Amino acid sequence: EVQLVESGGGLVQPGGSLRLSCVASGFTFSSYSMNWVRQAPGKGLEWVSYITRSSSPIYYADSVRGRFTVSRDNAKNSLYLQMNSLRAEDTAVYYCARLYTSGWFLDYWGQGTLLTVSS
Amino acid sequence: QSALTQPASVSGSPGQSITVSCTGTSSDVGGYNYVSWYQQDPGKAPKLMIYEVSNRPSGVSNRFSGSKSGNTASLTISGLQAEDEADYYCSSYTSSSTLYVFGTGTKVTVL
Repeated sequence: EVQLVESGGGLVQPGGSLRLSCVASGFTFSSYSMNWVRQAPGKGLEWVSYITRSSSPIYYADSVRGRFTVSRDNAKNSLYLQMNSLRAEDTAVYYCARLYTSGWFLDYWGQGTLLTVSS
Repeated sequence: QSALTQPASVSGSPGQSITVSCTGTSSDVGGYNYVSWYQQDPGKAPKLMIYEVSNRPSGVSNRFSGSKSGNTASLTISGLQAEDEADYYCSSYTSSSTLYVFGTGTKVTVL
């Protein structure tokens, strides 16, 4: 069974940093590109970042480019999102999601982890 | 890259058919057959319902169907059931620098 489990969310002050993690199981993690998607409270889905199997290329949404860094460790079946210079508008549930091997759709999602940026 | 445009809400009675639209541009919806649709229940992760415009993943009811015309994609739910009440999001690959874009989301209500 495919599983994606996010962790690392919490309360951070504006300007602070945090790293989210996503541990994958039930499939060959190194064979799939991965994504981060977020959802602010009561709002819609926003795509955040994409990383290929080999960690290059990498893409970011304009709203996070230069502040967030996505990475992965295929040996640990893990995906990461390093978030710096956090703002109140970064408050959201962050989901990791698997990109289907030969298409542009997200076939499996984690349950999400909540980041709150507030003083 | 702006979000794809969806109606905020769509409603229908049990047994009826409803359609949710998703309007983009030639750089996303209109340019590629990479439109997908996700269903999201409150407090839950999104679930893939349609991929590549009109394909259903295994396990998704055949009451859900997708189509596209020009820059607008559509999700149709036929034989509407109470369990279909949820938020629905379209998404598409985009040739812009951001790579992937979601729609604004539509709340489907079963009357």
